Amino acid sequence: AQRVTQPEKLLSVFKGAPVELKCNYSYSGSPELFWYVQYSRQRLQLLLRHISRESIKGFTADLNKGETSFHLKKPFAQEEDSAMYYCALSGTTDSWGKLQFGAGTQVVVTP
Amino acid sequence: DTAVSQTPKYLVTQMGNDKSIKCEQNLGHDTMYWYKQDSKKFLKIMFSYNNKELIINETVPNRFSPKSPDKAHLNLHINSLELGDSAVYFCASSQVGGGNYGYTFGSGTRLTVV
Repeated sequence: AQRVTQPEKLLSVFKGAPVELKCNYSYSGSPELFWYVQYSRQRLQLLLRHISRESIKGFTADLNKGETSFHLKKPFAQEEDSAMYYCALSGTTDSWGKLQFGAGTQVVVTP
Repeated sequence: DTAVSQTPKYLVTQMGNDKSIKCEQNLGHDTMYWYKQDSKKFLKIMFSYNNKELIINETVPNRFSPKSPDKAHLNLHINSLELGDSAVYFCASSQVGGGNYGYTFGSGTRLTVV
């Protein structure tokens, strides 16, 4: 069974400080991993896909298969980064792109 | 031009009523989904359709019935609404095959059952 764990419900950081959101997963095969962001009362938006290895809005995430982790990082947090962040996994052998989401981490960036 | 649009945005209704939420995507994606976001912001898949065919049906009460008239539309009908159905319902679409490119989500429908 696949599972995504985000251990932090809430992360409060100061503007300009580094931020790291933890995500661990459980999947027997080779997963596809994503980070989604949801700003207050808005739709979820795709932030990162692990296979694209790009940096969006200063965020990066590296897939560590040994530790089964896909932590999201940003060196200098901005107030506009305050949002809900979801880590998500899609199994490459399961059906039809079903995304399993973690419970989410609420990030609050204070000035 | 909105890629995935849901209507209505807000829905307040009494217990026992039947209601529908509509979803349309203009991205040409072949797979559509319904997710439920509860009061703790947890997201859980409910259904998925691929080219009008039901492919994922999680443990959702029979009162929830999805309908896909064509691959650009996936509607959700809910019978005999209960208080516990209050949540935000998100529609999403994706192009699956050759990898998962991620979902495009609608803006959500906030359902409140009173």
